[in-house]
Amino acid sequence: AQSVTQLDSQVPVFEEAPVELRCNYSSSVSVYLFWYVQYPNQGLQLLLKYLSGSTLVKGINGFEAEFNKSQTSFHLRKPSVHISDTAEYFCAVSDRVASYDKVIFGPGTSLSVIP
Amino acid sequence: ETGVTQSPTHLIKTRGQQVTLRCSSQSGHNTVSWYQQALGQGPQFIFQYYREEENGRGNFPPRFSGLQFPNYSSELNVNALELDDSALYLCASSAIGTTFGGGELFFGEGSRLTVL
Repeated sequence: AQSVTQLDSQVPVFEEAPVELRCNYSSSVSVYLFWYVQYPNQGLQLLLKYLSGSTLVKGINGFEAEFNKSQTSFHLRKPSVHISDTAEYFCAVSDRVASYDKVIFGPGTSLSVIP
Repeated sequence: ETGVTQSPTHLIKTRGQQVTLRCSSQSGHNTVSWYQQALGQGPQFIFQYYREEENGRGNFPPRFSGLQFPNYSSELNVNALELDDSALYLCASSAIGTTFGGGELFFGEGSRLTVL
């Protein structure tokens, strides 16, 4: 079964600085990868996803992620963060089991943007 | 386009009681997944419903059960509540065919259950 590791539980960063949130997944033949964001007291919202093709994926709000198959990683990056980016970020992998895809989430990384 | 709505938003129960949580899926979506998110953790997959049948389940005991109705709305039922059931319960809808191969899950804001 698939699993997802997010090495950093909390990441503080100053406003307008770059940020990288790390994600590693267990190996699989066919894998689909996602990043979701959760703002306080809200549900999760998709930031971006990797299905196939280019390993560099661009998402909403200026975020991008790079799929690295050899390192089984899918790190999320943003060149310049804003206060509004303060939220919980979840890396997820789609685990195809039987007749359905089960999306498995990592434990999350709390991003705090400091003014 | 109506998004995913869940009710109630908050509720408090005592150990041993039963609870029913409700979810209306986004317009055009025919698949509903339920997740449990404990405080400070990532969402854990409970089960998924498609065409009114459970077609996938995570590592949750049988006292967690569900229903999907012809209009694709869904219920999550938890019997014999335990203290560890305290969590945010998230419903996510998707369109079958897009979930296979990495479709997007659309989440509601969740129902926060506290078990005393």
